[in-house]
Amino acid sequence: GQNIDQPTEMTATEGAIVQINCTYQTSGFNGLFWYQQHAGEAPTFLSYNVLDGLEEKGRFSSFLSRSKGYSYLLLKELQMKDSASYLCAVRDSNYQLIWGAGTKLIIKP
Amino acid sequence: GAVVSQHPSRVICKSGTSVKIECRSLDFQATTMFWYRQFPKQSLMLMATSNEGSKATYEQGVEKDKFLINHASLTLSTLTVTSAHPEDSSFYICSANEGVKGNSPLHFGNGTRLTVT
Repeated sequence: GQNIDQPTEMTATEGAIVQINCTYQTSGFNGLFWYQQHAGEAPTFLSYNVLDGLEEKGRFSSFLSRSKGYSYLLLKELQMKDSASYLCAVRDSNYQLIWGAGTKLIIKP
Repeated sequence: GAVVSQHPSRVICKSGTSVKIECRSLDFQATTMFWYRQFPKQSLMLMATSNEGSKATYEQGVEKDKFLINHASLTLSTLTVTSAHPEDSSFYICSANEGVKGNSPLHFGNGTRLTVT
């Protein structure tokens, strides 16, 4: 079956750095996405990786290793507004999106 | 960037009534739209894939006669929850790809919070 694993919850301090990991086993691979979802709101797109390596976008970076079935989202200079759930999703060989359950990130002052 | 508009954002209805939710792609054409449901503290669950000009494809366990999907144009898909019951209370979110494949991400509407009393 297809599966995406990410930690349920993480806690970090304002101003610090946090890394949210995602591992996947899917039928084929056509890209990995990270989304941010604040409570009660719809997800918003953060990043996309299809080749191995690091993609940087301001305070957020996303890394992919296809051979290991592994990605991480790195958030730097954490702000209180970064408190949200972070969803990892993989597009499989049929271009269907497989979603992880999300990681709830709690930022403490 | 691509915008998906969803309406209404919040609806309260009585048990047994029907509710229609609209999803529009504002600056791009979407041959395919997706309807998700999310219960509190749970992950997104794909309900169905809405295809313009043809029947929707429903995920296993989703009743197609209860959740009616119509994708009449390239910019509009509607989800109608028929004969709603309290257990249908949830957060419904639509989404669409700007492109067909490749690196086009899903863009989400703002969601509709349905409460059935």
